Amino acid sequence: SAVISQKPSRDICQRGTSLTIQCQVDSQVTMMFWYRQQPGQSLTLIATANQGSEATYESGFVIDKFPISRPNLTFSTLTVSNMSPEDSSIYLCSVEDAVDEATDTQYFGPGTRLTVL
Amino acid sequence: AQTVTQSQPEMSVQEAETVTLSCTYDTSENNYYLFWYKQPPSRQMILVIRQEAYKQQNATENRFSVNFQKAAKSFSLKISDSQLGDTAMYFCASKNNAGNMLTFGGGTRLMVKP
Repeated sequence: SAVISQKPSRDICQRGTSLTIQCQVDSQVTMMFWYRQQPGQSLTLIATANQGSEATYESGFVIDKFPISRPNLTFSTLTVSNMSPEDSSIYLCSVEDAVDEATDTQYFGPGTRLTVL
Repeated sequence: AQTVTQSQPEMSVQEAETVTLSCTYDTSENNYYLFWYKQPPSRQMILVIRQEAYKQQNATENRFSVNFQKAAKSFSLKISDSQLGDTAMYFCASKNNAGNMLTFGGGTRLMVKP
């Protein structure tokens, strides 16, 4: 499976500021996803990061709050904008389907733990 | 829409014993995939096991096996010879063949006791 890294691994931010989280994969992948895991909760899909086009957002998530970039097949960023304490969560990226192999299985990065004061 | 339900918020098991984690799901699709992921305190989501719905044979991965009951829409995880390192949150998830969205259950916190 692909090796996925995320930066930063954790951060503490002030309300009203923005944080950009990076996700890097060691191989080219077709699909990249961003999830949020609120404290003590399960994972919720924020959006699918599409290479060369706008991200596809799930209900309850909007581009102004969570802008996403996907400049190539190995990299994506998620920005959490105008943060409030309610944004304190673990943010995880996942990938599926290497460019040359359909796996139908998502593999996850190590996550970014965000605390907003 | 798919839903996944894990009815056991917490479970514990003695080291070396066997434990079964429950998962039920609901889908209108005929082709789909089911997964169990493990999330230890390090928060890394690790794939434990994967099952294609069209396969009748239950998937196994070393000490981990599933009991897939398609008609009952049940997908339980059995951990044999439990080890301390198995202590983690376990999430059941489903995905339609036609889509990419993973739907997760609420998770089961498993504690393996020495």
